[in-house]
Amino acid sequence: ETGVTQSPTHLIKTRGQQVTLRCSSQSGHNTVSWYQQALGQGPQFIFQYYREEENGRGNFPPRFSGLQFPNYSSELNVNALELDDSALYLCASSRDRGQPTFGDGTRLSIL
Amino acid sequence: RKEVEQDPGPFNVPEGATVAFNCTYSNSASQSFFWYRQDCRKEPKLLMSVYSSGNEDGRFTAQLNRASQYISLLIRDSKLSDSATYLCVALGGSARQLTFGSGTQLTVLP
Repeated sequence: ETGVTQSPTHLIKTRGQQVTLRCSSQSGHNTVSWYQQALGQGPQFIFQYYREEENGRGNFPPRFSGLQFPNYSSELNVNALELDDSALYLCASSRDRGQPTFGDGTRLSIL
Repeated sequence: RKEVEQDPGPFNVPEGATVAFNCTYSNSASQSFFWYRQDCRKEPKLLMSVYSSGNEDGRFTAQLNRASQYISLLIRDSKLSDSATYLCVALGGSARQLTFGSGTQLTVLP
């Protein structure tokens, strides 16, 4: 059984740029949630996709957007990057919004 | 006020010690609760679920008190391999999303 895989592992961007992070959900999972974890903090919920529809959103501005594809993989897009966007971005997949499995994360640094 | 608040830590304890972590949550509508463990620069992993009746898994015991909105984790006979950050987590909301505390760092010393 393939787990949750995220790409890239690390990424460096500058302020104002745009970034796309990718997540392949675990086999049999149809729900993907994204979390942002700043240094020294717990992960914070960004949004969730269930069967290709956004199913809930945390307290993040509209420049954070996402997509889920028919194979249930997902993308997180962030526009107009700010220094505070530097964080570990975690993707978690589950079946029918059940107990999630986390990927290894993408570490994003903004210069 | 954060939805899930934990002991600030860090905790530095000798091998074999018993250590207790506490956590409070503010959203009484939260449905389920968990403790997650996160190793340095890794993803969080589910340690155990937390129930009002208590939950024990080897050296780990978790307890939920819904009346006081309080969650605890007790680790007995600490091992070096227990060194990690422990995250208190509530599940709820329209997306059944996880709300994490800031985490408490534990270092078990030889």
